[in-house]
Amino acid sequence: DIQMTQSPSSLSASVGDRVTITCRASQGISNYLAWFQQKPGKAPKSLIYAASSLQSGVPSKFSGSGSGTDFTLTISSLQPEDFATYYCQQVYTYPRTFGQGTKVEIK
Amino acid sequence: EVQLVQSGAEVKKPGESLKISCKGSGYSFTSYWIGWVRQMPGKGLEWMGIIYPGDSDTRYSPSFQGQVTISADKSISTAYLQWSSLKASDTAMYYCARQNDKAAASDAFDIWGQGTMVTVSS
Repeated sequence: DIQMTQSPSSLSASVGDRVTITCRASQGISNYLAWFQQKPGKAPKSLIYAASSLQSGVPSKFSGSGSGTDFTLTISSLQPEDFATYYCQQVYTYPRTFGQGTKVEIK
Repeated sequence: EVQLVQSGAEVKKPGESLKISCKGSGYSFTSYWIGWVRQMPGKGLEWMGIIYPGDSDTRYSPSFQGQVTISADKSISTAYLQWSSLKASDTAMYYCARQNDKAAASDAFDIWGQGTMVTVSS
């Protein structure tokens, strides 16, 4: 199985901050990467596919980049509604493994 | 509106069987994969397996192979996740999600169900 490792596991940030989350794959996956946001008690929400393409309706403050083994999710200006846990997932091969998650908390 | 609607919360005893459902609407059910994801209390997301309702092609994570069965009834646009003998460790929230079928990097989950909480306790 491909292992997905996110860093950091958690971070504290203030409203207006620029936040970057990293995801690393244990082997090359080209751009076959997705990002999801999950708020407490809610289902995950799809944010990004193909490493950098926004899902329909996702605001442009979210952006993704990377290829091969290293990827990033950036939130350009953190807002109160962005405090949540973020997951990456490789969609290169089965089983489609997730990262362990990064919790973004209010400083 | 494209949506996936899951069946309601379940409380079961160890050893009992269970089948939960995920009904798709607003799109061609047979043209997209439906995947299942487990989330144990306070933990992250785990990919369990996936089915293509068009031809019932099914893939499982090795971690869940033999522990659960994924199926679909395309006549009623519904996918299922079932257990033959539940354990306390199956207590979790289970989500279904829709995935494209283009054999490309765009084949990621785009629509999620609301989740079904399964509690297994004696």
